[in-house]
Amino acid sequence: GAGVSQTPSNKVTEKGKYVELRCDPISGHTALYWYRQSLGQGPEFLIYFQGTGAADDSGLPNDRFFAVRPEGSVSTLKIQRTERGDSAVYLCASSLGTANSPLHFGNGTRLTVT
Amino acid sequence: GQQLNQSPQSMFIQEGEDVSMNCTSSSIFNTWLWYKQDPGEGPVLLIALYKAGELTSNGRLTAQFGITRKDSFLNISASIPSDVGIYFCAGQEDKIIFGKGTRLHILP
Repeated sequence: GAGVSQTPSNKVTEKGKYVELRCDPISGHTALYWYRQSLGQGPEFLIYFQGTGAADDSGLPNDRFFAVRPEGSVSTLKIQRTERGDSAVYLCASSLGTANSPLHFGNGTRLTVT
Repeated sequence: GQQLNQSPQSMFIQEGEDVSMNCTSSSIFNTWLWYKQDPGEGPVLLIALYKAGELTSNGRLTAQFGITRKDSFLNISASIPSDVGIYFCAGQEDKIIFGKGTRLHILP
């Protein structure tokens, strides 16, 4: 079956612009996670949804970052006034949302801010 | 905040050698996970550990959940070329916290 799909796979934008990154989770997965991975680092937690609501958004670095999941399926990560330091791979993962259910990751969106 | 320390940062080994890497945490986790990431892809779960002291195998991979719940190790036996990649430990409560990874290189 289809895995977690992230689009676009690559995004280049200019400093100060607004970007949206999309995640299509595995069908039936209620939990959805966003992570950011900088070069040479492990994935860094950003936000976690259970259904439509953000259960934990403690990893969002500042108020330029926002994520939504209006129908409990597809999620969009939105970054306003992008900065060069936002350049990274943004990973999305989904799970069944039950205790110990494993996370399935997409291949990420590589964001480059010039 | 919670931090995971992985060691070594990188390893260079000969094909056929055994590999050992470990992870320590500043806090307790109820679940420890080991992931592998290949270039251009997301991490893939290798082994999940749910009980302190648990020892679990998956083919040539063996991982243990430390008694204190603050550490874990991963062993790979008889390494092969496709083992090359980055291995991440992770601790899970509601969210998953990742270490910085161990980069495994296999010398020709």
